[in-house]
Amino acid sequence: DGGITQSPKYLFRKEGQNVTLSCEQNLNHDAMYWYRQDPGQGLRLIYYSQIVNDFQKGDIAEGYSVSREKKESFPLTVTSAQKNPTAFYLCASSAYGQGYSNQPQHFGDGTRLSIL
Amino acid sequence: AQSVSQHNHHVILSEAASLELGCNYSYGGTVNLFWYVQYPGQHLQLLLKYFSGDPLVKGIKGFEAEFIKSKFSFNLRKPSVQWSDTAEYFCAATPFMDTGRRALTFGSGTRLQVQP
Repeated sequence: DGGITQSPKYLFRKEGQNVTLSCEQNLNHDAMYWYRQDPGQGLRLIYYSQIVNDFQKGDIAEGYSVSREKKESFPLTVTSAQKNPTAFYLCASSAYGQGYSNQPQHFGDGTRLSIL
Repeated sequence: AQSVSQHNHHVILSEAASLELGCNYSYGGTVNLFWYVQYPGQHLQLLLKYFSGDPLVKGIKGFEAEFIKSKFSFNLRKPSVQWSDTAEYFCAATPFMDTGRRALTFGSGTRLQVQP
């Protein structure tokens, strides 16, 4: 079955440490997204990528970095500069381009990041 | 900037009660509108979407939503809820465009608790 795989499911970060969250999709989608979910705040966009080797900052990109070297992969690194990283992180993908403007996003199961 | 508002943060209903969750968006142009559901321990799933045509949209599991352009609203309804509908519900919007940022803007979510 096609879908989005996020790993790990749970992740713990020590002070001053960078951690990387994995996101892989086999839906052949061009666009991929990272959201952060905090209680009572819904989901907020961290970074998005509409095509391989290109990505854009979302609304809360500070302290995060991404890469998009392959169509199916969009890893997110939470750097030590992110002072409040404890949250639930969701990766999503969607078709992109002319004729796909109404296509919904598909979501992974998420990674819960906590600080030790 | 585009925003989505969900005014009901926590709703408690008894089984067989009717449900209506409010969603308002602020965006002057054409938008795509979505309702997503997140069951406990599961990933976000698409309930229904609207992009054009009949403003009354039917989704999965007996849910429907009505797009009222004059009120900038996209309220979710279900005539008779079940215990299995206990979940968090998110309204989301994205501009109707073929290029540029099409990431979703989410509301803060409504937690629905259905009591048997």
